[in-house]
Parts: sequence; structure tokens; C-alpha cells
Amino acid sequence: GAVVSQHPSRVICKSGTSVKIECRSLDFQATTMFWYRQFPKKSLMLMATSNEGSKATYEQGVEKDKFLINHASLTLSTLTVTSAHPEDSSFYICSGRERTSGDEQFFGPGTRLTVL
Amino acid sequence: GESVGLHLPTLSVQEGDNSIINCAYSNSASDYFIWYKQESGKGPQFIIDIRSNMNKRQGQRVTVLLNKTVKHLSLQIAATQPGDSAVYFCAENMVGSNYKLTFGKGTLLTVNP
Repeated sequence: GAVVSQHPSRVICKSGTSVKIECRSLDFQATTMFWYRQFPKKSLMLMATSNEGSKATYEQGVEKDKFLINHASLTLSTLTVTSAHPEDSSFYICSGRERTSGDEQFFGPGTRLTVL
Repeated sequence: GESVGLHLPTLSVQEGDNSIINCAYSNSASDYFIWYKQESGKGPQFIIDIRSNMNKRQGQRVTVLLNKTVKHLSLQIAATQPGDSAVYFCAENMVGSNYKLTFGKGTLLTVNP
């Protein structure tokens, strides 16, 4: 159990366009979802935390107008990278936490974004 | 943050040997720690966790040791197999942080057959 999916698994887009990444909890209700970014050979860096039905809380240095997060239901959160630039190319990973699961987070498989 | 140009720490072992991966965590207020395995192009996979009221926890072929005095966490893998080759991250969670995880730098484990 506790499966998280992401779509798409990889996306290539042109500079200046916007890209939406979906994160779904398949068999549990994710009251909290987290979005991470990971550059090559680096660690995961938390971008934002979103609670269902509330606005996301962004980490310091992450532009909320550039990385739009929506968590409208208990099974779906979306991350939209607006006006993407090559420096936004990265591996984006989401995770979900169920209210009853304590501290444990369940991670998705990640989305590879390449901006040309 | 990480230093520019800092390479990922690596550990190379022979198949069948035991592996020990170390992690220094940053916050003495952290009370929950997790080890994750990440294969290339995939998301993190949970291995084992430990709470701050324990100093050792064992799973199948894995053991996590926690030393709160020096803020040190280690992951021991017994009889390492080629399938264990991956990057291993420790992560910490601080009480009152809204369940946010802070990840360590990671260690690349290579198992030679």
C-alpha cells in the first residue's frame, strides 16, 4: 500500500512555456503533500508543503509565483512550473503523508523536467 | 547548502561484505530519522527509520544506529548484494516542523560482484 504516482515521468519543453506535474496518492488520502527538487548528484531539497484545501507553504528561496502548487483534493496535488527556463531543469519528486501515518512520507517516482 | 563542485561521497564494497554508511545530521531537536535508497532516475525508497528515544533498530539485513550525543546516524547493510547499489540518503524530521524532512547529502554505494 501507500503508493504515490507522478505524471508525466519525463517532460521536455521549450523555454518560456509552463509545465504541469501531477502527483497522486493511489491508495491513501494525502492530507499533506510535499514537493522536492533534486539536481544531478545532489540531495533532495524541499520546495513547498501543501495541506489539502490550503495554500502551499514555500521554503525560503522558492518563488511561489513561479512554482504554483495546487492541492485541491486528498489524492491529487499539482506543481506548475511557469515560464520555465533551462535552470529549472531538474528532477521533481512529490511525497504524501496521511493524517494517521505519523511522520512517514510516501514518495512518488519523480518527474524529469528538461527545459530547452 | 552544499558546496559547489562537492562530489557525492562514495563507498565501494565487494558482494557479500557488510556496508556501513554514515550521516551527520544537523538539528539536535530532530526526533525522527529515516534512511532512504534511491536508484538512478527513481524516487526515494524507504529502508528503515528510528526515533530519538532509541539508539538501534534492526530490519531485514539492515541496522540503523543513532548517536544523539554527536548527532550521528549510520546504516549497516549485511551481506551486501549488487542490487543494493544506489545512493543512500539519511533524512531528519524535527518536532513541530509540520513533518518536513531535511535530507543529507547522500552516499553512493557501489557493490562489486
